[in-house]
Amino acid sequence: EADIYQTPRYLVIGTGKKITLECSQTMGHDKMYWYQQDPGMELHLIHYSYGVNSTEKGDLSSESTVSRIRTEHFPLTLESARPSHTSQYLCASSTMGSTEAFFGQGTRLTVV
Amino acid sequence: DAKTTQPPSMDCAEGRAANLPCNHSTISGNEYVYWYRQIHSQGPQYIIHGLKNNETNEMASLIITEDRKSSTLILPHATLRDTAVYYCIVRSSNNFNKFYFGSGTKLNVKP
Repeated sequence: EADIYQTPRYLVIGTGKKITLECSQTMGHDKMYWYQQDPGMELHLIHYSYGVNSTEKGDLSSESTVSRIRTEHFPLTLESARPSHTSQYLCASSTMGSTEAFFGQGTRLTVV
Repeated sequence: DAKTTQPPSMDCAEGRAANLPCNHSTISGNEYVYWYRQIHSQGPQYIIHGLKNNETNEMASLIITEDRKSSTLILPHATLRDTAVYYCIVRSSNNFNKFYFGSGTKLNVKP
């Protein structure tokens, strides 16, 4: 059982609101990732981090931002939510050189 | 990272072996083959990985062709709970490489 947690699991929010999706892992992993997945579609990497104070944009353009102040915590923020942000957001972590990434259960976001 | 090609969907009878193919004809020498699955939009779950030898664990077997241009994931006795999207990924062990997921194969296990 992987020790990576995402909160909330489900969120319905109005347009224009600021939201932060939380992701925490207790495995001491250096690398963390955020993926976005629309229903029935592929996972797209939107952000990743190699460690504290390291953040990079992924291959899918996203209006979200991330921070990595602590190893175990990699929150994702949307400053002004829009209906186009409605999606599932999945967080993952791995060690450097790891053969495996561990995923959280995801946050399903609906912006109305 | 090399691109992979998988069939969009497959059916399998419960209790039978499920054989899921993956083509990765542009794989390079230091790239591993990984398999993940995603059950009903939960977070993807690691299944198995290999470099060139066949691998087996408690979940599945991985058969990699000698030229490494394709592989097959085998679930020896599929159950209804194995219904999921299965992703084949190739990735080097470089510390800075990320996990890229393609469209995967939707495996439907039928009673």
